[in-house]
Amino acid sequence: GENVEQHPSTLSVQEGDSAVIKCTYSDSASNYFPWYKQELGKGPQLIIDIRSNVGEKKDQRIAVTLNKTAKHFSLHITETQPEDSAVYFCAPHGNKLVFGAGTILRVKS
Amino acid sequence: DAGVTQSPTHLIKTRGQQVTLRCSPKSGHDTVSWYQQALGQGPQFIFQYYEEEERQRGNFPDRFSGHQFPNYSSELNVNALLLGDSALYLCASSLLTSGRAGDTQYFGPGTRLTVL
Repeated sequence: GENVEQHPSTLSVQEGDSAVIKCTYSDSASNYFPWYKQELGKGPQLIIDIRSNVGEKKDQRIAVTLNKTAKHFSLHITETQPEDSAVYFCAPHGNKLVFGAGTILRVKS
Repeated sequence: DAGVTQSPTHLIKTRGQQVTLRCSPKSGHDTVSWYQQALGQGPQFIFQYYEEEERQRGNFPDRFSGHQFPNYSSELNVNALLLGDSALYLCASSLLTSGRAGDTQYFGPGTRLTVL
């Protein structure tokens, strides 16, 4: 079956610093690569996504980079704020979304 | 624009009972997927419904079944509940007929099921 790994599992940064979370996957058929943010007591919220024909996509403080040859994609958050604290999931999609185990991001003010 | 809604918010059942969870998709969406999220883990795909039929299924036993109605809303049924079924059950909707954009799924707030 598909294997999805996220690193790190927890990440603590100072407010204003950058945060990077990496996701590796095994299914070579994956062609859609979203990142979700989940706050306590809520469902996952789509924050950014990228398709396999694009290498990078940016939306204000958030960016995603894709290396399809190496089968990994990364979430980059710049100028982190306390409200960025949450669990972040990658979920590469071949014929279905397969979620990683999540990364707990803590932004200290 | 109404997002994905789920009911109930919380539910407590005992082992061996049956449960039904409900989901209304985002306005304009035609496809509903269900996920199980155990504490501290990522969501796991249960199945997906489109045109009132199960289109795809993950690695879950037949105790898990579902239904989609003509208005695109959906139900998840779990029979013979086990303690291990305690989890957050998430519903996500998408628009399959939008082509590649049909991969994009939007999640509801979930139903927290506790099995005692």
